[in-house]
Amino acid sequence: DTGVSQDPRHKITKRGQNVTFRCDPISEHNRLYWYRQTLGQGPEFLTYFQNEAQLEKSRLLSDRFSAERPKGSFSTLEIQRTEQGDSAMYLCASSPELGEAFFGQGTRLTVV
Amino acid sequence: GDSVTQMEGPVTLSEEAFLTINCTYTATGYPSLFWYVQYPGEGLQLLLKATKADDKGSNKGFEATYRKETTSFHLEKGSVQVSDSAVYFCASNSGAGSYQLTFGKGTKLSVIP
Repeated sequence: DTGVSQDPRHKITKRGQNVTFRCDPISEHNRLYWYRQTLGQGPEFLTYFQNEAQLEKSRLLSDRFSAERPKGSFSTLEIQRTEQGDSAMYLCASSPELGEAFFGQGTRLTVV
Repeated sequence: GDSVTQMEGPVTLSEEAFLTINCTYTATGYPSLFWYVQYPGEGLQLLLKATKADDKGSNKGFEATYRKETTSFHLEKGSVQVSDSAVYFCASNSGAGSYQLTFGKGTKLSVIP
């Protein structure tokens, strides 16, 4: 296994458009997380899945954001009606039940 | 809520210099503490961790000791190398089994030959 992979690595979109990112976690990891990182800041927690169940959502995750993990494997994060303030690096991580979180390289979103 | 404060960078050191990056935390309960490193063009990697007071995490010559009395987890290395140039993040969670990490803002380290 090559670790957590995210696709795409970079995305430029016009304001108002919808975007979707994909995360493939390490195969045996049942926990999956999404974080957002803006320039000069540390990552901020967005949401968490245990298998296919979304168990926690940060208040940072507005109604325009939705995340799914339909079969408890890969996950998608969709942002509807993107705004310039959504420009950030979106990080995915996965971990076993009790253990270290492994991060992907992230998807850099630029909203123009 | 929980928070992590780490010294602001950037930090520029000459090769073989001593490194300290300060980190303090506020948390309810008994958090675990972490240092993550992000090398240029790569994802976050766990560098070291400590799960209870007085534990010392160590890896690749880096060390950090969990100090409950000062709520600190300072990162140190006795002799830095050019290859240590990266951004370092201090982080905490809410304790064993907790899934949510709270990160500091990161400290960029540049080591010059």
